[in-house]
Amino acid sequence: GENVEQHPSTLSVQEGDSAVIKCTYSDSASNYFPWYKQELGKRPQLIIDIRSNVGEKKDQRIAVTLNKTAKHFSLHITETQPEDSAVYFCAASSAAGKSTFGDGTTLTVKP
Amino acid sequence: GAVVSQHPSWVICKSGTSVKIECRSLDFQATTMFWYRQFPKQSLMLMATSNEGSKATYEQGVEKDKFLINHASLTLSTLTVTSAHPEDSSFYICSATLSSGKNEQYFGPGTRLTVT
Repeated sequence: GENVEQHPSTLSVQEGDSAVIKCTYSDSASNYFPWYKQELGKRPQLIIDIRSNVGEKKDQRIAVTLNKTAKHFSLHITETQPEDSAVYFCAASSAAGKSTFGDGTTLTVKP
Repeated sequence: GAVVSQHPSWVICKSGTSVKIECRSLDFQATTMFWYRQFPKQSLMLMATSNEGSKATYEQGVEKDKFLINHASLTLSTLTVTSAHPEDSSFYICSATLSSGKNEQYFGPGTRLTVT
């Protein structure tokens, strides 16, 4: 089955700096890669996603890149703000819709 | 659009009893729903895939007789934790997809189960 690895497990940045979280996946059949933000006790919230036919996608301060050959994808958050502090999960999904999640990254943005 | 609800949002039960959690797609039909379990400070672990009108597909290590899943309609899936034990205490989250071929999942708000 699919295996998703996510790094780092914790990340602390100063407000205004950039944050990068990286994931690798193992199953070449995976074709959809969402990123979720989860606050304590809440549901995961989709913040950005990318499909396997695209190399990069950007939405304001958030961007995701995908390297299909190397089977890795990354989340980039620029101009971080304290409200960006949360746990971020990457996931890899196949056409069947079943997703495998990374272990999560706890992002702390210090004011 | 694409709203998923769960009920209850939290529940406390005694060891040995059973608890049912409902997952509903409010404004769309979901042929497939997924059930996840999340322990504190851990990731979401897929328990099973629930398809309307057919038996659920369970992930390795998940006991199907303990976690009963029923997907009786295109808008409702239920997870019943039978003979609950304290180690079953967790955050249970469901998700639904709009249609086959579209991977995006819509998550319910989760159910916090505490077994005493």
